[in-house]
This record gives sequence, structure tokens and C-alpha cells, in this order.
Amino acid sequence: QVQLVQSGAEVKKPGASVKVSCKASGYSFTDYVMHWVRQAPGQRLEWMGWILAGNGDTKYSQKLQDRVTITRDTSATTAYMELSSLTSDDTAVYYCARDHPPRYWGQGTLVIVSS
Amino acid sequence: DIQMTQSPSTLSASVGDSVTITCRASQSVGSWLAWYQQEPGKGPKLLIYRASTLEGGVPSRFSGTGSGTEFTLTISSLQPDDFATYYCQQYNTYSPEVFGGGTKVEIK
Repeated sequence: QVQLVQSGAEVKKPGASVKVSCKASGYSFTDYVMHWVRQAPGQRLEWMGWILAGNGDTKYSQKLQDRVTITRDTSATTAYMELSSLTSDDTAVYYCARDHPPRYWGQGTLVIVSS
Repeated sequence: DIQMTQSPSTLSASVGDSVTITCRASQSVGSWLAWYQQEPGKGPKLLIYRASTLEGGVPSRFSGTGSGTEFTLTISSLQPDDFATYYCQQYNTYSPEVFGGGTKVEIK
């Protein structure tokens, strides 16, 4: 069965970077797209970007494109999302999700940005 | 960027009621529209894609219609498990994949 298991919660200081991982199993990793979506407390879902796991092509939200980098390690069947120059507005639950539209979702990773 | 606007933002209903949520796009997204259900503290669950195709395992009381800029999600005969927040999302590959603002379905 398809499983997406994300790394654990993070607490970061403003200005720092965070890198969240998403370990995929139960399917051929390189055959699918992986999205990253975040949700600030009480707010709407916000699409951040995706990566084609096969060839590594990426597409990012215009709002975040200067600060977000999505990568993957095919040998580890893992996708990564790195967000730099963190502010308190980046406090959110971050999800990885497979398919287009996203059908399988990771359990979410809470990132708290606080001084 | 395409903007997705949902209405209403909150909806109060009773078990057994039929409810309709509307999602409007600022420009045409064709049929590249999905609906999700999100319960508190959980990740989203895909209900409908391609505007009207029911995801496997989703009860038939959920239905979606529309194309272009106006879409609806209807839940006929609300069940206790249906009280949640619903989001639309356009997923046209050539545009940022924006979510709507969400509609919270509450118990009246």
C-alpha cells in the first residue's frame, strides 16, 4: 500500500531554514509527482510546489519560489522540501502528497518558527 | 495567478440535509477541479477529481458538477462523518495549483 512518512516536528528561529523529508513506499517512486502543501493554523491549504520524481523537474508557487526548494533522492525513495529565511508566517503543518491531484498524503510535519 | 473563491465559508446543517458548496475560479480551469474533505487535525482526503469523478471508496452522496469557472459540491443526506471542512483545488498543470478558502460544514 502507498505510504508517505514524513520527518518529525521542527522548531526554528526566524531567518533559519528547515528541511522536511517524505519517505515513500509501496509504489514505484519515480513514476509519480510529489506535491508539497502547507496549512498555517486555522488557515486554508496552500500549495507550495511539486517535483516529478522521475526526472526531478519542479514547479513552485510564485509566492514561495524564491525560498522553497523541492528535491528527491530516488535511491532513498524520499522527497524533500527546504524552506529558507523562515518567519513566523511560515509556522504551519507541511504535507507531502502524491498524484495529480494529490490523492495520498503524508501525516504532516509541524514546523514552528519562533524566537 | 488563478484565484479560487468558495462560498459559503461556513454552513450550518442537520443530519439528513442536502448541502451545496460553490467554488468559483477567476479564470477558466476547464475540468481540472478537485474537492477535498478535511477533518480537524487530519490531512485532506480527495473526494472528487476532474470536477465530477468520484474518488474510489467515497460515498455516492457526494457529487460534483461544473466546468470552466463555476463548480459545485453537493452532499445529499448529510451524515455525522460529513461535518468537516471542504476545499476545492484547481490543478491545471500550467497554473499554480490553488486551493479555495474552505467551507466549514457545522452541525446546526
